[in-house]
Amino acid sequence: GAVVSQHPSWVICKSGTSVKIECRSLDFQATTMFWYRQFPKQSLMLMATSNEGSKATYEQGVEKDKFLINHASLTLSTLTVTSAHPEDSSFYICSARRGLAYSGANVLTFGAGSRLTVL
Amino acid sequence: GQQLNQSPQSMFIQEGEDVSMNCTSSSIFNTWLWYKQDPGEGPVLLIALYKAGELTSNGRLTAQFGITRKDSFLNISASIPSDVGIYFCAGGTGNQFYFGTGTSLTVIP
Repeated sequence: GAVVSQHPSWVICKSGTSVKIECRSLDFQATTMFWYRQFPKQSLMLMATSNEGSKATYEQGVEKDKFLINHASLTLSTLTVTSAHPEDSSFYICSARRGLAYSGANVLTFGAGSRLTVL
Repeated sequence: GQQLNQSPQSMFIQEGEDVSMNCTSSSIFNTWLWYKQDPGEGPVLLIALYKAGELTSNGRLTAQFGITRKDSFLNISASIPSDVGIYFCAGGTGNQFYFGTGTSLTVIP
């Protein structure tokens, strides 16, 4: 149980185009999903917290107009990188929270990640 | 965002040796999670801890939630080649989780 599917697993696009990445919880409902960016050999940096039915909460320094997040249902959150540039090339990973926030079952399940390369 | 101090940054060990890594924070957490990440993949959960002092095992892996709630450690006993990867801790409070800087483990056969 507790599977998170992320799609696409890799994408190459031209500079100036927009790219959408989907994150789905397949066998559980996730009121909260998280989006991370990871550079080679570095840790995961939280970009934003996505709450179902409300606006995402962005971390300091993350441009919300650049990285659009939509969490329209309890099983789907999307990250759209708008007008992508080469510096946006990175590994993007989503996670979904199972269990209540302060419960003894609060755990994050991660997607497999999406490798974005902007030419 | 906040990042937790994780050490060591990297380890090179012989197959069969035990491994120990830890995470420390200036903040108190009510959840500690340990993950393993293989190259090009997302992190996979190894152990979840929810109570201060809790000691939990998963096969050859053992993790503890520090009494102060500001630290946690992960031990791997009798390492094998497939233990190779990057290990991350994550400290959580309610809806927020913060990650450690990672420990890269190399196991030499």
